Amino acid sequence: GESVGLHLPTLSVQEGDNSIINCAYSNSASDYFIWYKQESGKGPQFIIDIRSNMDKRQGQRVTVLLNKTVKHLSLQIAATQPGDSAVYFCAEIPNRDDKIIFGKGTRLHILP
Amino acid sequence: GAGVSQSPSNKVTEKGKDVELRCDPISGHTALYWYRQSLGQGLEFLIYFQGNSAPDKSGLPSDRFSAERTGGSVSTLTIQRTQQEDSAVYLCASSLVQGGKGHFGDGTRLSIL
Repeated sequence: GESVGLHLPTLSVQEGDNSIINCAYSNSASDYFIWYKQESGKGPQFIIDIRSNMDKRQGQRVTVLLNKTVKHLSLQIAATQPGDSAVYFCAEIPNRDDKIIFGKGTRLHILP
Repeated sequence: GAGVSQSPSNKVTEKGKDVELRCDPISGHTALYWYRQSLGQGLEFLIYFQGNSAPDKSGLPSDRFSAERTGGSVSTLTIQRTQQEDSAVYLCASSLVQGGKGHFGDGTRLSIL
């Protein structure tokens, strides 16, 4: 299957610090990118998205950066809080007639 | 507001039995997706629907898996002759248009004994 990882990498961050989660995507022609947050026992929740004609987009405490040259996406979370503990997935949609393709996911662990 | 609803939330069944998993998408959403997630892993694409048709079934693991969508709304994922390796969380998502932001349900946790 696509994008199934054996082990999720973990990022441990001190509460109050900024977090940066990185993702490499597969298709240079992908048009649309999404970050999802998944808490234990729940489905993925939309956080923020970005189109390929942009390189940065900001939300509330979150920023997504897109580098098309190296096919890299990052999610920055400012002033990380305990409620930010979750698994974060990047996703790409190659074109408007295609499925959502997920990256492998990163577990964010907040240290007190 | 009403989000994507999946039922049952948990299903335990014996190996060899058939199971049906249901997804009620957000009203008006034309696209519907099924994914599978094994414990501690990422999301594996299974199938998606645009309306009632399935342009991409490439992710279905074997011919024991099938899915249908009726009336452009509810979808059912059926697994026949279940095997232990089918144990996973099955997630459904819908989006307003094809290629749009997917809204996920909380999944059905399937356990095969």
